[in-house]
Amino acid sequence: GENVEQHPSTLSVQEGDSAVIKCTYSDSASNYFPWYKQELGKGPQLIIDIRSNVGEKKDQRIAVTLNKTAKHFSLHITETQPEDSAVYFCAALWLGGSYIPTFGRGTSLIVHP
Amino acid sequence: DAGVTQSPTHLIKTRGQQVTLRCSPKSGHDTVSWYQQALGQGPQFIFQYYEEEERQRGNFPDRFSGHQFPNYSSELNVNALLLGDSALYLCASSLAPDRASGEQYFGPGTRLTVT
Repeated sequence: GENVEQHPSTLSVQEGDSAVIKCTYSDSASNYFPWYKQELGKGPQLIIDIRSNVGEKKDQRIAVTLNKTAKHFSLHITETQPEDSAVYFCAALWLGGSYIPTFGRGTSLIVHP
Repeated sequence: DAGVTQSPTHLIKTRGQQVTLRCSPKSGHDTVSWYQQALGQGPQFIFQYYEEEERQRGNFPDRFSGHQFPNYSSELNVNALLLGDSALYLCASSLAPDRASGEQYFGPGTRLTVT
């Protein structure tokens, strides 16, 4: 089955800095890679996703890149703000196959004002 | 437009007891998936329901069972509770796989504590 590794487990930055979270996956059949933000006491919320036919996708201050050859994908947050503080999860799944996501273990992002 | 709702919010049970958790999917969604999220971990897939049947199952014992109703809402039942079942249980709704875009919408979860 799929295995997703996520690093780092904790990331502490100053407000205004950039933050990068990296994930690797093992199953070459995976073709959809969502990122979720989970705030304290809430369920994960989809913030951005990327499909295997695209190398990069941006949405305002967040962007995701995908390298299918190396089987890794990354989340980039620019101009971080205190409200970006949360746990971020990457996931990988096979659309057209099982449709069930395998999640990374999460990255706790702390943005200091 | 109501999102995914779950009840109860918190629950405390004793080892050996049984528990039922409930989920109502986002309007327009017909598929419900359940996940277990232990502290400091990512969500682990338990099973998925659509058309009132269990369609896929993760690596969880038979003590975990579920049901989906005609209005697409769902229940998760756990029998013979163990201390290790303490976790946040998340429900996620989506469209059926033949129409799915991959997007899932999660509820706020039910925090289960087994003592």
